[in-house]
Amino acid sequence: GAVVSQHPSWVICKSGTSVKIECRSLDFQATTMFWYRQFPKQSLMLMATSNEGSKATYEQGVEKDKFLINHASLTLSTLTVTSAHPEDSSFYICSRRQGSSYEQYFGPGTRLTVT
Amino acid sequence: GESVGLHLPTLSVQEGDNSIINCAYSNSASDYFIWYKQESGKGPQFIIDIRSNMDKRQGQRVTVLLNKTVKHLSLQIAATQPGDSAVYFCAERLQGAQKLVFGQGTRLTINP
Repeated sequence: GAVVSQHPSWVICKSGTSVKIECRSLDFQATTMFWYRQFPKQSLMLMATSNEGSKATYEQGVEKDKFLINHASLTLSTLTVTSAHPEDSSFYICSRRQGSSYEQYFGPGTRLTVT
Repeated sequence: GESVGLHLPTLSVQEGDNSIINCAYSNSASDYFIWYKQESGKGPQFIIDIRSNMDKRQGQRVTVLLNKTVKHLSLQIAATQPGDSAVYFCAERLQGAQKLVFGQGTRLTINP
């Protein structure tokens, strides 16, 4: 069964509004989770590494004030897209590792459409 | 810098044939490699992984080969089935890093 869930699975919002996406680790306490963005027919691009109880580590070129990440518990990380614009429309996917393994378990993704 | 690329963006095979998906990586310091399968509208699913101290690893119907000399990784799928249709991504981990760097992906289509 799924080990990582995301909510919502899809969302449509108006330009200028903010949207929060939740990522839950269902069976493992994850100190580290990852957020990716995927545009159509493209690969996964890592946006940031979410660390429980501390600040997220953002990849180069990702605006930390626009993509707010909160990892307040060992089972929940949230990504908030602030002041969304149509170019933020994408497929957002989170993942987590398990223990010392480098394998990442992915959530089902959230389709964001900004109108 | 880090980069993982794929030789072919699309691959079509006959049902029942074997599929080979290739991946080139550029960073010789990468010590872990992984293949994921992604169906449309879903998150990636783990297929198989391999550490840099290995050349080959086999799973159920899948085999991953690693050639560190030429920095090449391949995924072999035996007796390809319609359910294998998806986009396949390779990813690498730079030694010491937590994150994975993904390749561009190959779309595998199965002809009946």
